[in-house]
Formats: sequence, structure tokens, C-alpha cells
Amino acid sequence: DTAVSQTPKYLVTQMGNDKSIKCEQNLGHDTMYWYKQDSKKFLKIMFSYNNKELIINETVPNRFSPKSPDKAHLNLHINSLELGDSAVYFCASSQVLGVAGELFFGEGSRLTVL
Amino acid sequence: QQPVQSPQAVILREGEDAVINCSSSKALYSVHWYRQKHGEAPVFLMILLKGGEQKGHDKISASFNEKKQQSSLYLTASQLSYSGTYFCGTEIDGNEKLTFGTGTRLTIIP
Repeated sequence: DTAVSQTPKYLVTQMGNDKSIKCEQNLGHDTMYWYKQDSKKFLKIMFSYNNKELIINETVPNRFSPKSPDKAHLNLHINSLELGDSAVYFCASSQVLGVAGELFFGEGSRLTVL
Repeated sequence: QQPVQSPQAVILREGEDAVINCSSSKALYSVHWYRQKHGEAPVFLMILLKGGEQKGHDKISASFNEKKQQSSLYLTASQLSYSGTYFCGTEIDGNEKLTFGTGTRLTIIP
């Protein structure tokens, strides 16, 4: 029974398209995150939500819009995709707000923009 | 500011020891360590909080030197399963954000 699950696992699309990645956690955690891992393996935080409320919004282009319909779900929608958006996107959750606790990561969604 | 890890990569024979360092330019509230195997998600190893504590996890332990704004991860008697990329994650006082380091790729060979 997967704790943090993301769909789809792979996305291949053309520049200019719009795509979404969905994330669900069944751990009962209050906080969820999106991280981006680029080709150099750098793992950077994009957003965090606590109980459906946006807490952290790093300097991410407006083309990226997270949505949290409830505290178990955090989706990421990306408009007008660019080549530089190609990366692996990881969803994660933690029990508490802040980083006093362990992050549980999903398996990642590999986005390739052609 | 992204913490800097050293070395960037290391190759060890099974049974050898390794030390991975993580340095920050800012005062730290906590340091986390994660391991990521190729094609997989990062997996939590341990957290060290301000206060200078040291933690251990089987043959993997870590220290946190607040004054030097550094943490080190120690892997003793390395096993093949230790291979992967190790990331430190740092939190600066009160900002509730984990910033991951540059990563250290560890390869264990038989």
C-alpha cells in the first residue's frame, strides 16, 4: 500500500502544452510538498501546503500552479511547458508543518518536454 | 543558499568507511540526511537538531556542529546496499523549509 503516490510516472509532451501531475498520500499527514530534481540531481523545493493552505512558494514561474483539494492531495498543473521544465517532480509529505519530521517522498514523475 | 557537500563522488570497496560533509553559509536549526538510489525517491536516514546531538542508524551515524554550520555523515564497514546519492537537507531557524545540498554519489564495489 503506497504511502505517497504520484501519477503519471512518465510524461512526454511538446513545448507549449499544459500538463498536470497528481499526488495522494494515505499517511494522514498535514503537510505536502512539491520538489523538482533537475538533470544535475539538484533537489529544490517548489511549494508546500499545510492543511490545504499554501505555506511555501519558492521563486517558481506563474506557469506552475499547485492545488490542494484536501490535505491528502496536492496536484501540480503546469501551463505552456518549456524545455527547462524537463525534470523529475517529487511529491512529499510530512506529519507536521516545518521540518522537524521526516519527509516521505513519492516515486517521482519524470517530465520530458520536447 | 544551497548547502555544499563534499566530496561530490566517492568509490569504496565493501567494508571501507566513508565520511560525507555538508556545509552551510548560514546558521542552522536542523540537518537531515537522505539517500537516493538511482531511479528511486529519496529515503530518510536521520535528523539532527540544534544542540549538537549525534545520531546513529545501524552503521550510519552523523554529527552536527552548529558553530561551524556543518554536519558529517559517517558510514562504517560499507555494504553494497549503501550505494546511492546522499543528500543533506538544512533548515535555517524558523523558515520551515528544507534546502537540499549538492549531493554526494557513493559507489560501493565488491
